[in-house]
Amino acid sequence: GENVEQHPSTLSVQEGDSAVIKCTYSDSASNYFPWYKQELGKRPQLIIDIRSNVGEKKDQRIAVTLNKTAKHFSLHITETQPEDSAVYFCAARFSGNTPLVFGKGTRLSVIA
Amino acid sequence: GAGVSQTPSNKVTEKGKYVELRCDPISGHTALYWYRQSLGQGPEFLIYFQGTGAADDSGLPNDRFFAVRPEGSVSTLKIQRTERGDSAVYLCASSPGVYNEQFFGPGTRLTVL
Repeated sequence: GENVEQHPSTLSVQEGDSAVIKCTYSDSASNYFPWYKQELGKRPQLIIDIRSNVGEKKDQRIAVTLNKTAKHFSLHITETQPEDSAVYFCAARFSGNTPLVFGKGTRLSVIA
Repeated sequence: GAGVSQTPSNKVTEKGKYVELRCDPISGHTALYWYRQSLGQGPEFLIYFQGTGAADDSGLPNDRFFAVRPEGSVSTLKIQRTERGDSAVYLCASSPGVYNEQFFGPGTRLTVL
């Protein structure tokens, strides 16, 4: 089945710097890649997603890139702010009727 | 509108007991998913429903776990003979269809003593 690896497990950046989190997936037929942000004790919330027919997607300070050949995708956060501090999870889905497979998460700390 | 809700928010039980966890999806969402999240891990798939039927239950760890969605809306996850290893946060998510974004509930934190 699908396997998703996420790196790094923890990341500390200075406020205003950029943060990059990377994920790799095993199944080349995967076609949907969401990113979730989870604050302590809260529910995961979708922040951005990308489908396999697109190489990059941007939403204000957040962008996701997808390299289908290498089977990896990355989350980029620019101009980080303290409120960006949270655990971020990537996920992949093999096809429309299969469940999401999540990475183990990255704990991002933005230091003011 | 109202998001996904889950009850109870916390459940403490003793080893060997039976528990039921409830999920109320967003109105009109046909797909409903159950995940389990252990400390420091990502959500782990358990089962999902399309309408009333379980479309994929391959993530249920063993036959002590069972879930139902009799009317295609509310779902209940049932755990028999609970074990300490079942302690985790149980998350529910719903989506308008299986091709759409999943919206998560706040989770139920289950502690088995």
